[in-house]
Parts: sequence; C-alpha cells; structure tokens
Amino acid sequence: QVQLVQSGAEVKQPGASVKVSCKASGYSFTDFYIHWVRQAPGQGPEWVGWINPNSGDPNYAPKFQGRLTITRDTSSSAAYMQLTGLRNEDTATYYCVREGNWNDFDNWGQGTLVTVSS
Amino acid sequence: QSALTQPASVSGSPGQSITISCTGTSSDVGNYNLISWFQKYPGTAPKLLIYEAFKRPSGVSYRFSGSKSGNTASLTISGLQAEDEADYYCCSYTDSGSPWIFGGGTKLTVL
Repeated sequence: QVQLVQSGAEVKQPGASVKVSCKASGYSFTDFYIHWVRQAPGQGPEWVGWINPNSGDPNYAPKFQGRLTITRDTSSSAAYMQLTGLRNEDTATYYCVREGNWNDFDNWGQGTLVTVSS
Repeated sequence: QSALTQPASVSGSPGQSITISCTGTSSDVGNYNLISWFQKYPGTAPKLLIYEAFKRPSGVSYRFSGSKSGNTASLTISGLQAEDEADYYCCSYTDSGSPWIFGGGTKLTVL
C-alpha cells in the first residue's frame, strides 16, 4: 500500500532552517508529484509547493519564494522540503502529499510538527 | 489570495444529513471541477473523501457526496454517525497565485 513516512518533529529558533524528509513506498516514486502542505494551529491547510519526482522540477507558492527548496532523491524514493529564515508564523505541521491520478491529494504523510520559538 | 470560505461549525443528530459549503470565486471553484474534500481527526493526517467535485475514492462511504453550483461547492454527509465528528476541509485548484487553495475548515459536531 502507498505510504509516505516523514521525519520527526523539529524545534527551531527564528532565523534558522529546517529540512523535512518524506520517504515514499508502495508505488513508483517517479510517477506521481509530491506536494507539501502545511497547517498552522487553528488554521486551514496551506499549499507550500510541489516537486515532479521524475524531472526534479519544483514549483513554490509565491509567499515562500527565496526561502523554500524542495528536492528529491530517486534512489531512496524520498522528497525533502527545506525552509530557511524561519519565523514564528512558520510554526505548523508540514505534510507531504502524493498527487493522485485525478489531480487529487490521495495519500498524506503523518505530518511533521515544526515549532519556531526563541 | 484568500482561502475558500467554509462555515466554522455545523452540527446534526445521528441519522440526519448535513451539508458543508465551500465558497470561492470564478478563479477557483467557479471555473474548475478540481475540488476535493478531506476529513481530519485531531492529530492525524487528512483523508481524501471527494475528488473532482463529486467523485468518491474507493473505500469511502456512499454517505459522503459532493456537488457544485456556481462558485460554491458542497459536501453532504447523510445518515450521520458519531464517527463523522471531525474537521472537514475543501480544496480547489486556482488560476490565481498558488495553484491550490484550501478552506478554513468546518468542525462537525454529532449531537
């Protein structure tokens, strides 16, 4: 079955960087886009960006341009999201999500809580 | 780019039906059928309930159905059960700003 397993919770100081991993299994990694979605406490989800695992081409939400890097490693079927210059408002649970055959978010990782606090 | 608009909360008794609305604009809900609905329990990842506005993935109960009219999409849950108590989110493709936009979420309480 499809599984997306993410790295563990992180606590960072403002201005620091965080890198979250997402290891995929149960399907052909290069056949489906991987998205990153975050949800801050008490708020709705927010789309962060995606990567085409086949080509490695990413696409980022405009508000994260310059701070966000999404990469992948096809040899280990893993995707990575790195966010730099962390701010308190970046505190959220970050999810990796597979885009299915019908432009839907059909499988989600378990989420990684990133806490930004001094 | 504003989030899609959902009611903050809805409630219903077991066996009843409820509908959750998701209002957008002509840049998203009104012009595309790439609308999804998710169910989320506290501390867990969202689960896909509806995709392409009204299609159900295999394994999702027939009690969940989606529809769309103009700039508003809707999720209907029929035959409410206690286990349906959760948060529900809509999501749409948009041609304005980021390609995907979510609603703020609706908390369903089963009385």
